Amino acid sequence: KAGVTQTPRYLIKTRGQQVTLSCSPISGHRSVSWYQQTPGQGLQFLFEYFSETQRNKGNFPGRFSGRQFSNSRSEMNVSTLELGDSALYLCASSSNGPTGRFSYNSPLHFGNGTRLTVT
Amino acid sequence: DAKTTQPTSMDCAEGRAANLPCNHSTISGNEYVYWYRQIHSQGPQYIIHGLKNNETNEMASLIITEDRKSSTLILPHATLRDTAVYYCIVRAFTGNQFYFGTGTSLTVIP
Repeated sequence: KAGVTQTPRYLIKTRGQQVTLSCSPISGHRSVSWYQQTPGQGLQFLFEYFSETQRNKGNFPGRFSGRQFSNSRSEMNVSTLELGDSALYLCASSSNGPTGRFSYNSPLHFGNGTRLTVT
Repeated sequence: DAKTTQPTSMDCAEGRAANLPCNHSTISGNEYVYWYRQIHSQGPQYIIHGLKNNETNEMASLIITEDRKSSTLILPHATLRDTAVYYCIVRAFTGNQFYFGTGTSLTVIP
C-alpha cells in the first residue's frame, strides 16, 4: 500500500499570502489529521476530518482551516500568513471501523510533510 | 498536555539493544501507549503500541509494567539508521489527537 502523500514538499510564501497544502491518505483510511511542527512548540494537533466533517480541532486561530473530500483526500489552508507559520505541516491518516468510530487501537500513519517557509 | 516523561537523550552502541524508557503515571485504563520515531525532516514513523500486554513486531518490543505507569521500547540490535527522536505517546481520550512531548533523541554510535 502506498503511504500518506503530501504535496508540495517545500513551499516558500511571503507574509500576508495564503497557502493550500494537500494530503492523500492511505487507501481505505477515512480519517485525516493535520499537525504543525516547529522547533519551539514541537508537534501540535491542528484538526481531524472524517467523512468530510471536522470532528476535532486543536488550539489554532481561524486562519487555519481544512476540508476533506469524498475520496478522503484533504487540504489545509492558511490565510494571511505570518512569519510564525513557518513550520513542517504533517498529515496523518488512520483506519476506522465500519461505523467510523475512532479506535484507540488504530495508529496514525504520517506523511513526510510540507515544509512551509514564510518570508 | 503531554502525559509522558522521557529522557532528553540517550546513546547506544551499534549492534547492542537500545532500551528507551517512558513514564506515564497518569495513564487511564483504556489508554494505549504508542511509540513513534522521527528522523530529521521526515514525518513520524509508527513503531508499536500496546495496552497492557507486552508487544513485539519486526521493528521493536514494547514492555509495559503491570501497573501501566511506565513502559520501555526495545530496539534489539540498534543500527545507525535507528538514530532518531523517539516519542512515547499516551493516546488522548479525544479521538485522533496525539499529544507529542519532546521525545528522546537516540544516537547510535558506531
